[in-house]
Amino acid sequence: AQSVTQLDSQVPVFEEAPVELRCNYSSSVSVYLFWYVQYPNQGLQLLLKYLSGSTLVESINGFEAEFNKSQTSFHLRKPSVHISDTAEYFCAVSERDTGRRALTFGSGTRLQVQP
Amino acid sequence: GAVVSQHPSWVICKSGTSVKIECRSLDFQATTMFWYRQFPKQSLMLMATSNEGSKATYEQGVEKDKFLINHASLTLSTLTVTSAHPEDSSFYICSAGLSGLDSYNSPLHFGNGTRLTVT
Repeated sequence: AQSVTQLDSQVPVFEEAPVELRCNYSSSVSVYLFWYVQYPNQGLQLLLKYLSGSTLVESINGFEAEFNKSQTSFHLRKPSVHISDTAEYFCAVSERDTGRRALTFGSGTRLQVQP
Repeated sequence: GAVVSQHPSWVICKSGTSVKIECRSLDFQATTMFWYRQFPKQSLMLMATSNEGSKATYEQGVEKDKFLINHASLTLSTLTVTSAHPEDSSFYICSAGLSGLDSYNSPLHFGNGTRLTVT
């Protein structure tokens, strides 16, 4: 079984400031890691994922996350946020070696970017 | 445009009635679909996994006779909440994609969700 913890339910930040959204996970098996974003009135969209290889993964809109196996973390960062980044962000994991793609989600972090 | 269409986006029904929610993959064939439930300010909780042509696999604690799932084709899965009660009021979200060990490079697509209110 897996569990995902997002300690921060809300993160207010000013535009152009850096931000980090924290994610820790617990699992008895190897997992893949994901960050999803949900904009208002829209479905979840994949932001980035770690499957293998480099532990630092990046998205097309400037976010990055680093898989840290020893700390069982997958924190999401952006050096300079925009108003348009305001959304709910979900960290998730799925089992690695079973082909079963069901996701276990964290409780989400609402990023509020203020002008 | 939306890759997964979920309908309706919201529904209000009376206690004791049944409600059907549809999840359609619009431009791809989904060998697996997932149904999640989300309570306010909480995480998405997996209810069941639905594979085309076979019975759904329900998570522990989810009543299969209450939440009927049908995945009759590679583009459609339905969730029917039978004899709905106020405690079934929630936000239901479907997800669709490919399954198997080689599938992880293909995305899972999510519907926009259905808000069910049982009065």
